[in-house]
Amino acid sequence: QQPVQSPQAVILREGEDAVINCSSSKALYSVHWYRQKHGEAPIFLMILLKGGEQKGHDKISASFNEKKQQSSLYLTASQLSYSGTYFCGAIRYNQGGKLIFGQGTELSVKP
Amino acid sequence: DAMVIQNPRYQVTQFGKPVTLSCSQTLNHNVMYWYQQKSSQAPKLLFHYYDKDFNNEADTPDNFQSRRPNTSFCFLDIRSPGLGDAAMYLCATSRGTSPDEQYFGPGTRLTVT
Repeated sequence: QQPVQSPQAVILREGEDAVINCSSSKALYSVHWYRQKHGEAPIFLMILLKGGEQKGHDKISASFNEKKQQSSLYLTASQLSYSGTYFCGAIRYNQGGKLIFGQGTELSVKP
Repeated sequence: DAMVIQNPRYQVTQFGKPVTLSCSQTLNHNVMYWYQQKSSQAPKLLFHYYDKDFNNEADTPDNFQSRRPNTSFCFLDIRSPGLGDAAMYLCATSRGTSPDEQYFGPGTRLTVT
């Protein structure tokens, strides 16, 4: 089963914050986050490898709670360039490193 | 710049007419992946190569095959495309498998008429 992302879509004004959640029904080895703009390839944002790990760069950060099998992506002071569809990708134990993407969260940042 | 290149970017084929999509990489990565992405859906893994070792996903239709003649190139062959095969096909590479990040090419949008 693919990870479940929430919300499915979010609309923000420039400068506002957003949180995108990713939940798995099975134990996770790692979580990847990607952003894809319409008609373009997914772009890697970050990987979280350990339970409780938090990573970030610029105003985009993420956390990984291994016990809850959840990851969250935090976007602060959003910019127009943040618009796109965000996918989490889950790698589970004993799955040969296969990346299974969530259904995506469409983020629109308006001026 | 090191990158993942896909050709063509747009491909139109007729129902049942074989088609080949190509992917090349200058990253010298060991792993190459093929994903299918339909509109408003997540990328779905079709298969991947670790060097020359081929790994097929259980639910990948037999209609889809792949070749990797060398480290740099990988091909996706669709033997008899159906209307349901119209999609964006994404090639990706990674240095190793989990948990290395994957680098995606720009994709080939396939239309089946």
